[in-house]
Amino acid sequence: DAKTTQPPSMDCAEGRAANLPCNHSTISGNEYVYWYRQIHSQGPQYIIHGLKNNETNEMASLIITEDRKSSTLILPHATLRDTAVYYCIQTQGGSEKLVFGKGTKLTVNP
Amino acid sequence: KAGVTQTPRYLIKTRGQQVTLSCSPISGHRSVSWYQQTPGQGLQFLFEYFSETQRNKGNFPGRFSGRQFSNSRSEMNVSTLELGDSALYLCASSLSPGAGNTIYFGEGSWLTVV
Repeated sequence: DAKTTQPPSMDCAEGRAANLPCNHSTISGNEYVYWYRQIHSQGPQYIIHGLKNNETNEMASLIITEDRKSSTLILPHATLRDTAVYYCIQTQGGSEKLVFGKGTKLTVNP
Repeated sequence: KAGVTQTPRYLIKTRGQQVTLSCSPISGHRSVSWYQQTPGQGLQFLFEYFSETQRNKGNFPGRFSGRQFSNSRSEMNVSTLELGDSALYLCASSLSPGAGNTIYFGEGSWLTVV
C-alpha cells in the first residue's frame, strides 16, 4: 500500500501557483520523496524529488517540512497543460520500487 | 539524449497467448523497473532489475516474468494471457537503485487481451 496520502482533487486558476500537499508520516531517514505527474494515457513524467532539503528545478519547487513528515509541490505559474494526476511517492530505502497511490487530480481552470 | 524506449507501443493478443515487451533504458542507466497500470488497480510495481539481477518483485503471479541483459535492456513476459492482463505496461530506468537518482518512465506498452 502507498505510504503517502494526498487530497484526491484540487483546482487552480491559470497563472496562479498550485500548491499540492502530501503527507508521508512514516518516512525514514534514507527514503526520498518523489513527485510525478501523469496525463491520460502517457507515462508518468518526473517532476522533482528530495530527501530533506527544499529543491527547485525548472518545473517546480519541493518544500519538505523539517520533520520530513509532509511536503508540498509548488507549480509557480500553473498553465492549462499542468492539468494532470500528481503522485507523491515515498521510496523504500535501497530500492527503486515506487508505490503509487491514487494521487491528486489537479485541474487548472482558465 | 534518448529517453526510456518501450516497444511495441500497442499490441492486441488473444487469451492464452504469451507476450514479450521490451524496454531500452536511458543510456548509462543500469536499473530498470516495470509497472502495470489498470483503471481498477492503478500503477502497480512488477519487478526491479539491476546488473541483470532481479532485486525486487511485486505481488503478481508467476505468469509474469522478466529479465535484464548485460547492456541493461530489459524484457518482460506474460504467459497464458488473461483478459485482466489488459493494461498499460510501463518501464522506468535510473542510474542505480536506492541512491536518490532520478527515475524516468517510458511511454508504455498498451496491451489489449481479447
